[in-house]
Amino acid sequence: KNEVEQSPQNLTAQEGEFITINCSYSVGISALHWLQQHPGGGIVSLFMLSSGKKKHGRLIATINIQEKHSSLHITASHPRDSAVYICAVRPGGSNYKLTFGKGTLLTVNP
Amino acid sequence: GVTQSPTHLIKTRGQQVTLRCSSQSGHNTVSWYQQALGQGPQFIFQYYRKEENGRGNFPPRFSGLQFPNDSSELNVNALELDDSALYLCASSLGGQGLTDTQYFGPGTRLTVL
Repeated sequence: KNEVEQSPQNLTAQEGEFITINCSYSVGISALHWLQQHPGGGIVSLFMLSSGKKKHGRLIATINIQEKHSSLHITASHPRDSAVYICAVRPGGSNYKLTFGKGTLLTVNP
Repeated sequence: GVTQSPTHLIKTRGQQVTLRCSSQSGHNTVSWYQQALGQGPQFIFQYYRKEENGRGNFPPRFSGLQFPNDSSELNVNALELDDSALYLCASSLGGQGLTDTQYFGPGTRLTVL
């Protein structure tokens, strides 16, 4: 079993829809990252969370440490949001290692 | 930003390869990742102030260097077919590199034939 599980693996939405991507992890962590990867490979860091909720534009990330679960929400989705969204965790006690989920492929159709 | 070279590379099994990364100016920590097709990135190792600061489950034929001028290298010896992947570097600031926001390069696509 992977330490970081994401769901769904693939997600197709219509422009304007509200999107939720989930991440569950099995180890104690000190930080969780949400990353966006576009075709061709480039990765952009969206959020780093250790508790609560963060918002940036149309993106919202939440984390529940007790339940070992995080969600990434996209409001008013747009075709330019189409990308792979990756959840990564830093296990507690580790000051260097990130463990990644396999990613969620999001396609937003116009 | 963070740059990587080359963009694409084709090698044959048994050869050696050097991938290069130029970190964001002033960042003292660089991490390297391997991403196989359809998978999430896997942590290879991290360098902090020119010293290896941690390593994932990769054999010693994966090695690295970090230079004072914000550049770093990933070297892979005795290439195997399974080494075919996208190699990503990411730089950050601070002693606890991975607790800080990481800035990723565009990656180098390595194909081993």
